[in-house]
Amino acid sequence: NAGVMQNPRHLVRRRGQEARLRCSPMKGHSHVYWYRQLPEEGLKFMVYLQKENIIDESGMPKERFSAEFPKEGPSILRIQQVVRGDSAAYFCASSPTGTGVRNQPQHFGDGTRLSIL
Amino acid sequence: AQSVTQLGSHVSVSEGALVLLRCNYSSSVPPYLFWYVQYPNQGLQLLLKYTTGATLVKGINGFEAEFKKSETSFHLTKPSAHMSDAAEYFCAVRNSGNEKLTFGTGTRLTIIP
Repeated sequence: NAGVMQNPRHLVRRRGQEARLRCSPMKGHSHVYWYRQLPEEGLKFMVYLQKENIIDESGMPKERFSAEFPKEGPSILRIQQVVRGDSAAYFCASSPTGTGVRNQPQHFGDGTRLSIL
Repeated sequence: AQSVTQLGSHVSVSEGALVLLRCNYSSSVPPYLFWYVQYPNQGLQLLLKYTTGATLVKGINGFEAEFKKSETSFHLTKPSAHMSDAAEYFCAVRNSGNEKLTFGTGTRLTIIP
């Protein structure tokens, strides 16, 4: 059973370019979460999505950042016009769907390390 | 609002010695508590979790943690450290009415041969 798959593992962009990070949840999971880890810090929640819906985006920067989780295909975290401060590791996690599963843990991918030149 | 404090950003113990990593939380409702481990350039792996029931929780790799409501703590322990335990450890909390995890800043564990 494949785990949470993130690609690319490493992404290098120049300032002003766009970064697209992909996340395929575990099979059977339809809840996806994105977190950002800055150097020497813990993970910070960004956004929580279910299929075709953004449930909680309270951790997303107001500008340049967007996320989607379409009916088909992976979840995408998009960062437009990247700046040096966007350099971080971005982690995706997933959990099962359905009621009564709120006690389920989130399963994490290996992350995408974004570097801005 | 919920928060997590991990005392000690770096902890070093000798191989075979007791490992104790501290975690205190604040939460306005009964929390769900988690410990994750992160090896270099990898994602987070769940060590153990507390949701309800028994307050002493056993996890993988010989780790365990005890939920103490009166102390708002969820410290992680292992009786005998192994070299392979060297990693970064994160404590996290989630409220029952909220899906997102709130993480501590992590503790880097070094094992001395």
